[in-house]
Amino acid sequence: QKEVEQDPGPLSVPEGAIVSLNCTYSNSAFQYFMWYRQYSRKGPELLMYTYSSGNKEDGRFTAQVDKSSKYISLFIRDSQPSDSATYLCAANDYKLSFGAGTTVTVRA
Amino acid sequence: EPEVTQTPSHQVTQMGQEVILRCVPISNHLYFYWYRQILGQKVEFLVSFYNNEISEKSEIFDDQFSVERPDGSNFTLKIRSTKLEDSAMYFCASSPEMGLFGNTIYFGEGSWLTVV
Repeated sequence: QKEVEQDPGPLSVPEGAIVSLNCTYSNSAFQYFMWYRQYSRKGPELLMYTYSSGNKEDGRFTAQVDKSSKYISLFIRDSQPSDSATYLCAANDYKLSFGAGTTVTVRA
Repeated sequence: EPEVTQTPSHQVTQMGQEVILRCVPISNHLYFYWYRQILGQKVEFLVSFYNNEISEKSEIFDDQFSVERPDGSNFTLKIRSTKLEDSAMYFCASSPEMGLFGNTIYFGEGSWLTVV
C-alpha cells in the first residue's frame, strides 16, 4: 500500500504564477506533514511542516492539511525561476513516508 | 547554519564488496536516520537510531546492513556485501526529536553509491 501519493508532474508555470502541489495519504496515524524541496542529486531540504489539520504560511509558501480528506497541499505564490526543483510531500509517524515528488519548472 | 555532512559524495564499488558510508549529524540532535533513493524513485526509510541502538528499521534494512555510532559525532551505514540493486543515493538525516513528537528532520547531501 502506498502511504503517500503524489503526482510526479512535471509542472511548468510562468514566472509569477501560483504553483499548486498536492498529495494524498492513507495512514490515519500521520500527525505531522512536511514539504521538502530537492534539487537534482541533492538532499531533501525541509521547507515547511504542519501539525494535524490547518494552514501554515511562510513567506510565499503556504502549506495546508485536511485530515478529513487526507489531503496535503503546498502553494507557492509569485513563483520565481529559483523555485524550480522537485517538491516532496512527506508524512511522519516513526519515520518519514515520502511522496514521489513533483518536478516544477518556473519559466522566466 | 548547522548541517548534516556525509562522506563520500560518490563511491563506486564492485559487487560483493563492503561499503561504509559516513555521516556527521547536527551536533545537538539525538535521532539519526538513513534513507535511500534509487534513481527516479521515492526516498525510502531504512533505519532510525537513538541512544546507541536501532529504534526502527524497514524491510529493506536486512542483515546486509548495519549502523553504528562509533564516537560522539559520526554515524555510519555499512553494507556488508553489496548487490547491484544497492546502487542508490543514501541520505543521512538527524532530528532533535522523533516521530510523532518531532518533525524537524534534516537531511545531508547524500552519498551516491554505484555498484558495478
